Amino acid sequence: EAGVAQSPRYKIIEKRQSVAFWCNPISGHATLYWYQQILGQGPKLLIQFQNNGVVDDSQLPKDRFSAERLKGVDSTLKIQPAKLEDSAVYLCASSLGGSNSPLHFGNGTRLTVT
Amino acid sequence: AQSVAQPEDQVNVAEGNPLTVKCTYSVSGNPYLFWYVQYPNRGLQFLLKYITGDNLVKGSYGFEAEFNKSQTSFHLKKPSALVSDSALYFCAVRLLMEYGNKLVFGAGTILRVKS
Repeated sequence: EAGVAQSPRYKIIEKRQSVAFWCNPISGHATLYWYQQILGQGPKLLIQFQNNGVVDDSQLPKDRFSAERLKGVDSTLKIQPAKLEDSAVYLCASSLGGSNSPLHFGNGTRLTVT
Repeated sequence: AQSVAQPEDQVNVAEGNPLTVKCTYSVSGNPYLFWYVQYPNRGLQFLLKYITGDNLVKGSYGFEAEFNKSQTSFHLKKPSALVSDSALYFCAVRLLMEYGNKLVFGAGTILRVKS
């Protein structure tokens, strides 16, 4: 099966600019996740979708981050305006949604904010 | 707070020797535990999981993990390390939420296998 696709792979922007990341999950996976992985830390959940509805965005900085999952398939994560501390790898993952279903991760987008 | 901890930032082992990467958890109720591996510039790959049943769980690439309820641990092991096992390893616990569940990761442990 095709894996989780993410683009772009790398992005460099200046602070206060905006950026968007795209994710295409594995076909049939109802649950989609965006994680932020800062260098030297474990991935931190930003937002979790069940089909096209948000079920957990408790750690999403809503003043600058937004995400959507139209039609319950692809998803985009946007940052506007970016801060230096947003430099990280943004990982998208998907799963069938059951409590023992493993997550399947994309290769991530490495964001550098200068 | 419900979480997992990986007490070692880095583990070094010689090729052919057994390896252990440690993980402890703090969860109310029965834990659902996972191990993932991350190679440079790649996403995380699922290795194995413990849901219930046998305390020794076998996974991909010859890895296994032992669930120990009394010590609240879920250490990752391999009998004979390979240089290609060098990577970043994450332990994770699935927390049951009102809406379903979410996966919380430890900080990660770098494994270096030297030839």
